[in-house]
Amino acid sequence: AQSVTQLDSQVPVFEEAPVELRCNYSSSVSVYLFWYVQYPNQGLQLLLKYLSGSTLVESINGFEAEFNKSQTSFHLRKPSVHISDTAEYFCAVVQGGSEKLVFGKGTKLTVNP
Amino acid sequence: SQTIHQWPATLVQPVGSPLSLECTVEGTSNPNLYWYRQAAGRGLQLLFYSVGIGQISSEVPQNLSASRPQDRQFILSSKKLLLSDSGFYLCAWSLLGRATGYGYTFGSGTRLTVV
Repeated sequence: AQSVTQLDSQVPVFEEAPVELRCNYSSSVSVYLFWYVQYPNQGLQLLLKYLSGSTLVESINGFEAEFNKSQTSFHLRKPSVHISDTAEYFCAVVQGGSEKLVFGKGTKLTVNP
Repeated sequence: SQTIHQWPATLVQPVGSPLSLECTVEGTSNPNLYWYRQAAGRGLQLLFYSVGIGQISSEVPQNLSASRPQDRQFILSSKKLLLSDSGFYLCAWSLLGRATGYGYTFGSGTRLTVV
C-alpha cells in the first residue's frame, strides 16, 4: 500500500526566509502527487500537483515542488515566506487507477515576524 | 461550478448522544465522496468513501457509519458518541475515475467536541 512520510511535524521560520517542507512516498509505478494547505479551522485547499511532464510544478502564490523519482520525494519550497503562509501543509499521493488519496501527517509551518 | 457544503461548522455533543453530519455536492453528478477525520497530531484518517449510491467502503472499524441516500449527499452518523470521536471531520469529493488527475475538493469541515 502507498504511504507518505512528512518528516517534519512543525517548521518555524522567520518572515522572508526560505523554507522547504519534505515529503517522501513509497515507491510505486505511476503515482500522482499533491500538496494541500489547511488554514486554521478550514478545509484543505489544493496548492499544487504533479501528474506528468516537467518535474517542477508551481503554485500561484510562490510555492514550488519538485518530483524526484529516484529519491521518491516531492518536497515543497518557497524562497521567501510571508506571515500569511502560516498553515498546515499536507502531501498526498494516489496510485494510478486508485480513487483514494493517501495523505501524510502534515507539517505545521509557522512564519514569525 | 461545483461546490461542496458541509454542516454544521461546530458541534458540541455529550457522550452517548447520536450524531449526524451532512455533506452535499452541487454542480456535478455521480461524484466519489469521502469522510475524513483529523485528530491532533494524527493527520488525516480516511473513514469512509463511496463511489456511488449504496456503495460505501469503511476504512477503519469504529463507532461511526456512513450513508449515501442521494447521489450527491453523504451522511456520517453515530448512534452513541464516545469521547474519542472528537475531532475535525472533513468531507471531500472527486470526479469518478479522475481522482488521479484532479485530487479531491474538500468541504470546510465540522469541529466535533464530545463532552
